[in-house]
Amino acid sequence: DSGVTQTPKHLITATGQRVTLRCSPRSGDLSVYWYQQSLDQGLQFLIQYYNGEERAKGNILERFSAQQFPDLHSELNLSSLELGDSALYFCASSIGGAYNEQFFGPGTRLTVL
Amino acid sequence: GENVEQHPSTLSVQEGDSAVIKCTYSDSASNYFPWYKQELGKRPQLIIDIRSNVGEKKDQRIAVTLNKTAKHFSLHITETQPEDSAVYFCALPSPSGGYNKLIFGAGTRLAVHP
Repeated sequence: DSGVTQTPKHLITATGQRVTLRCSPRSGDLSVYWYQQSLDQGLQFLIQYYNGEERAKGNILERFSAQQFPDLHSELNLSSLELGDSALYFCASSIGGAYNEQFFGPGTRLTVL
Repeated sequence: GENVEQHPSTLSVQEGDSAVIKCTYSDSASNYFPWYKQELGKRPQLIIDIRSNVGEKKDQRIAVTLNKTAKHFSLHITETQPEDSAVYFCALPSPSGGYNKLIFGAGTRLAVHP
């Protein structure tokens, strides 16, 4: 157990819908990262927050947005869902930036039908 | 740029053999090189990392070597066991975004056959 929690574990929804994925980082970690992993694919970086502020962005679609709240938990919002958005979404946390070990949550598997 | 190439994409070895996975990168300012292991259906986990002030680091059966001149780093697993079967990802901080994000390689699927 990494100490990072993600909810829900599974999510099945229809095209055009909007979903929210939630992540709670390890106690003491200030950074939260979001990654997308499609079937048999690598880890695609989406976005990073540090202590409530956005610090780095990857190739995140405009239909996706995220935020980190004062209690440091983070939410990833996916809207106007398409079939191609079906993937495993991981959240990771670390003490600081990318030079620190990242602890991954168990992931949320999103299926868009 | 922010690019890391990982080879091979798949690797099949017999139990007890060694396995080597190599990553090459382009940003000469890179100085932190982690390796993550993702077992089937599990989350990625850091298994070893190296910083550019050393050329090699070992932890039991795994080691990472770094060649900054040639801009590549490698993961070495000796005396492989079936539980080493997993996908291995190299990574390094990207210069874009102020080195706040990790760029992962495409992954190497290692299969260790008994």
